[in-house]
Amino acid sequence: EPEVTQTPSHQVTQMGQEVILRCVPISNHLYFYWYRQILGQKVEFLVSFYNNEISEKSEIFDDQFSVERPDGSNFTLKIRSTKLEDSAMYFCASSEIAGSTDTQYFGPGTRLTVL
Amino acid sequence: AQSVTQPDIHITVSEGASLELRCNYSYGATPYLFWYVQSPGQGLQLLLKYFSGDTLVQGIKGFEAEFKRSQSSFNLRKPSVHWSDAAEYFCAVGGQGGKLIFGQGTELSVKP
Repeated sequence: EPEVTQTPSHQVTQMGQEVILRCVPISNHLYFYWYRQILGQKVEFLVSFYNNEISEKSEIFDDQFSVERPDGSNFTLKIRSTKLEDSAMYFCASSEIAGSTDTQYFGPGTRLTVL
Repeated sequence: AQSVTQPDIHITVSEGASLELRCNYSYGATPYLFWYVQSPGQGLQLLLKYFSGDTLVQGIKGFEAEFKRSQSSFNLRKPSVHWSDAAEYFCAVGGQGGKLIFGQGTELSVKP
């Protein structure tokens, strides 16, 4: 069964450093998402992406964050200057169609630790 | 504002016992509702979803959920729990632009 993959599984970085989290969505999917889960808190929506553009973003997704689909398979989340509070599990998801009715398939997550 | 509440942070049931995980939502229009499960080290896996029609929805692994509009609830049930069901369970509502709004999650432990 096709699945969403994410690399790395765990990333440790120093505060102020840039990090790039990578995701490979399911191949025929067109809509991509990033969520994060701070330890002990809810899974929170960050951003959705379609046709090389951001469709929707949350208030968390500020200028420090960016997303990109650099080629036909990868979908990346970049944090330009990490802060301690960016430590969280980051999940990528993809869906075949847009909207609230379609199933989003999630990757296993990247645990980001900012020291 | 759209929101989801899962009142139970942690539930323990005995293997073979029945299970009900509670979920309440706040949403202005007809909600699209989901239950996801997360096992340790794994991503979120969809158990079932409700969009319209029959308010009792069947999912994978023997789970079902019932949509009750009058109570703004979408509780997850399973008649007989297996040890492999131990995991964290998330209720979610579909919001604008396809984003999912999640509840806090309920951690399920299963006693032998």
